[in-house]
Amino acid sequence: DSGVTQTPKHLITATGQRVTLRCSPRSGDLSVYWYQQSLDQGLQFLIQYYNGEERAKGNILERFSAQQFPDLHSELNLSSLELGDSALYFCASSPKSETLSSYEQYFGPGTRLTVT
Amino acid sequence: LAKTTQPISMDSYEGQEVNITCSHNNIATNDYITWYQQFPSQGPRFIIQGYKTKVTNEVASLFIPADRKSSTLSLPRVSLSDTAVYYCLVGDIRAGGGNKLTFGTGTQLKVEL
Repeated sequence: DSGVTQTPKHLITATGQRVTLRCSPRSGDLSVYWYQQSLDQGLQFLIQYYNGEERAKGNILERFSAQQFPDLHSELNLSSLELGDSALYFCASSPKSETLSSYEQYFGPGTRLTVT
Repeated sequence: LAKTTQPISMDSYEGQEVNITCSHNNIATNDYITWYQQFPSQGPRFIIQGYKTKVTNEVASLFIPADRKSSTLSLPRVSLSDTAVYYCLVGDIRAGGGNKLTFGTGTQLKVEL
């Protein structure tokens, strides 16, 4: 158990819909990262937040957005869903220091999104 | 981010020591080497991180030669539960580069009885 929690575990929805994925980082971790892992593809970095502020963007579509709240939990919003958005979505957090050990990330169990 | 090259797959038997080598010829002075393990449908798990020589924890050892152009993850006495994909990542952890974490295809380790 990494200490990172994600809800829901599974989500099935239809094309065109909007969903929200939730992540709670490990206690004390200020950085939250979101990743997407599709079948036969590696993990794709989507976005990072540090202490409530967006820090970096990766391959995140304009239909996707995220935020980190004052209590440090984060939400990833996916809208106008397409079949190709079906994937595992992982959240990760890293230790307090903004720079040191940022490659030491702790991943949650993921949310499996199925778009039909 | 330094490019890394790993074997696509490796096979082993229970009780053996497994060594997975990662090549990173263009590693920079400030880059660290980090290894992750991933089981199917689970998030990657941080295994070990190092800069030079040898690092050991309760799970694995990481050997880094003096030129740092490669590194070897050593798993002692593997069991069936070590069957997973192993990723090698190289980058400057002091530059806040965690958001540039790039997981390649990794090495699929299969452990058999």
